[in-house]
Amino acid sequence: EADIYQTPRYLVIGTGKKITLECSQTMGHDKMYWYQQDPGMELHLIHYSYGVNSTEKGDLSSESTVSRIRTEHFPLTLESARPSHTSQYLCASSESRPVAGGTDTQYFGPGTRLTVL
Amino acid sequence: KNQVEQSPQSLIILEGKNCTLQCNYTVSPFSNLRWYKQDTGRGPVSLTIMTFSENTKSNGRYTATLDADTKQSSLHITASQLSDSASYICVVSDRGSTLGRLYFGRGTQLTVWP
Repeated sequence: EADIYQTPRYLVIGTGKKITLECSQTMGHDKMYWYQQDPGMELHLIHYSYGVNSTEKGDLSSESTVSRIRTEHFPLTLESARPSHTSQYLCASSESRPVAGGTDTQYFGPGTRLTVL
Repeated sequence: KNQVEQSPQSLIILEGKNCTLQCNYTVSPFSNLRWYKQDTGRGPVSLTIMTFSENTKSNGRYTATLDADTKQSSLHITASQLSDSASYICVVSDRGSTLGRLYFGRGTQLTVWP
């Protein structure tokens, strides 16, 4: 099992609250990612980072923000949560050197199930 | 538009039986294809990865095949076990960027009954 951790695993909060979802990995990976996944749907990339002080928006527009101050830590913040933010949030990381054929394997954390009332 | 389509959407089989899951993709240029297993409430875990030149790859009771000409892949599960109950996700990567963009299918939800 990959050494990538997410907290909390489950979170139920009220509308308007500020929340931070934590993600940390102990594999020394430079690349980290945040995905959003709704039941029965594909994963959507919302943020990614190539390394410290590097953050980029993904394919799916998101009102969340991320930071990468340390290699092992990639938190995601929602300044004002809304019911539309209810979803599963998955963090992943990968090595910088891709395997033969191109892309490196992403290792996923267990996810945070967020419910905004 | 690059897409990954999986079928069936869901599947129920009895323990000990075999099954095959399908993945069709239109991603181009193609880099590699992965199958992930995602248990309920958990993150996906990589099962196999195949590049353009590979036709088949096995991981225990899981065997993936790839036909890059027809852009089709399958995941065959042999002698299914209750622990195989999960969502199986096909993920295709392109060569179009340094990031190596990933395209995710919606998954096949497999349920194995005793």
